[in-house]
Amino acid sequence: SAVISQKPSRDICQRGTSLTIQCQVDSQVTMMFWYRQQPGQSLTLIATANQGSEATYESGFVIDKFPISRPNLTFSTLTVSNMSPEDSSIYLCSVDPGQDTQYFGPGTRLTVL
Amino acid sequence: GENVEQHPSTLSVQEGDSAVIKCTYSDSASNYFPWYKQELGKRPQLIIDIRSNVGEKKDQRIAVTLNKTAKHFSLHITETQPEDSAVYFCAASMYSSASKIIFGSGTRLSIRP
Repeated sequence: SAVISQKPSRDICQRGTSLTIQCQVDSQVTMMFWYRQQPGQSLTLIATANQGSEATYESGFVIDKFPISRPNLTFSTLTVSNMSPEDSSIYLCSVDPGQDTQYFGPGTRLTVL
Repeated sequence: GENVEQHPSTLSVQEGDSAVIKCTYSDSASNYFPWYKQELGKRPQLIIDIRSNVGEKKDQRIAVTLNKTAKHFSLHITETQPEDSAVYFCAASMYSSASKIIFGSGTRLSIRP
């Protein structure tokens, strides 16, 4: 497996603002993913963060709302832009360390007022 | 795309009894089926997985079975203990392409003392 950290662990934000979430891995990984988990719900994939190219977004998620960076093989960021209360959720990054499976970071709990 | 259905949504069993959670998937190309356990406020943790060349896999008190013809797979927990109380998610993926994992809706398992 891999050791994955996320910053911040939680935040409370005002509507209309943006928040950038960081995901750091202790080893180089090819695949990194960003998920959203709304309260009491399952995990929904937002996008795949590709190193050196644009992220691949799932249906219902767009780059303008959730811009993603992947500057190297150990780091990625997800920005939640122009936030509204509906964006209140837990955001998790996950990585595939080459074992064709995924391990999750601890998550970022976001509350938008 | 892939769709994963999971049942039941909630499950309560007496400590020491067995628990069974069932999932079905829609894409016959899926060939990797992980199970995640998520305790309250924690990240999802991979507990067991099965690949399509195997019909059953066991790890101590946990076992997973796969029926590719019927496109369903199940998680079996025997001799349940209080620490088994959590939300369990099944998932499906085409692991050979290191592609996205699609999650079921989750089962909240409660172990009664």
